[in-house]
Amino acid sequence: DAGVIQSPRHEVTEMGQEVTLRCKPISGHDYLFWYRQTMMRGLELLIYFNNNVPIDDSGMPEDRFSAKMPNASFSTLKIQPSEPRDSAVYFCASGTGFTEAFFGQGTRLTVV
Amino acid sequence: AQSVTQPDIHITVSEGASLELRCNYSYGATPYLFWYVQSPGQGLQLLLKYFSGDTLVQGIKGFEAEFKRSQSSFNLRKPSVHWSDAAEYFCAVATNTNAGKSTFGDGTTLTVKP
Repeated sequence: DAGVIQSPRHEVTEMGQEVTLRCKPISGHDYLFWYRQTMMRGLELLIYFNNNVPIDDSGMPEDRFSAKMPNASFSTLKIQPSEPRDSAVYFCASGTGFTEAFFGQGTRLTVV
Repeated sequence: AQSVTQPDIHITVSEGASLELRCNYSYGATPYLFWYVQSPGQGLQLLLKYFSGDTLVQGIKGFEAEFKRSQSSFNLRKPSVHWSDAAEYFCAVATNTNAGKSTFGDGTTLTVKP
């Protein structure tokens, strides 16, 4: 398996634009997690899905953030409108209820 | 809710010296514990994990960690550090109902002197 695949690896956008981050989890994993990493706050769990259903979105910082998982092999994290303080590395991870999270390479987002 | 503390923000060791990175957790029941390593610009790679059983766990790259319930600790060790070990190390804890939903420490940056 190729592991968790995230795209794009880098994204630079202007404030106010919509940004969509994409994730393909490892086949067979029924949990998918979105994390954000910043210098100030470290690694934070934003939201996670189980069997494509959002279970806990309490980490989503604002209504500008939304996440979807239309099927078992694809998830998106959308920010609309984006702001400079959203600049961070966003990680997608997948797993089962009984394994650790397997992380993708991350998307480095810069909002200018 | 669970939490993780990594007391050392930055550690510097000489190549060939031994290493110990500290991790303390807070969780009422038996936790799942992990150590991840992150090289610059990369994702997180799992070094080792503890779910149950033997409290001394072996991982990749010559790392090991020991779970001490009485001290709520899960310290990472390596007997001889290589220059390629320079990276940031994260300790994480998860509950026994969802091993993938982890709470991470703030990380320890390891610098290796030649």
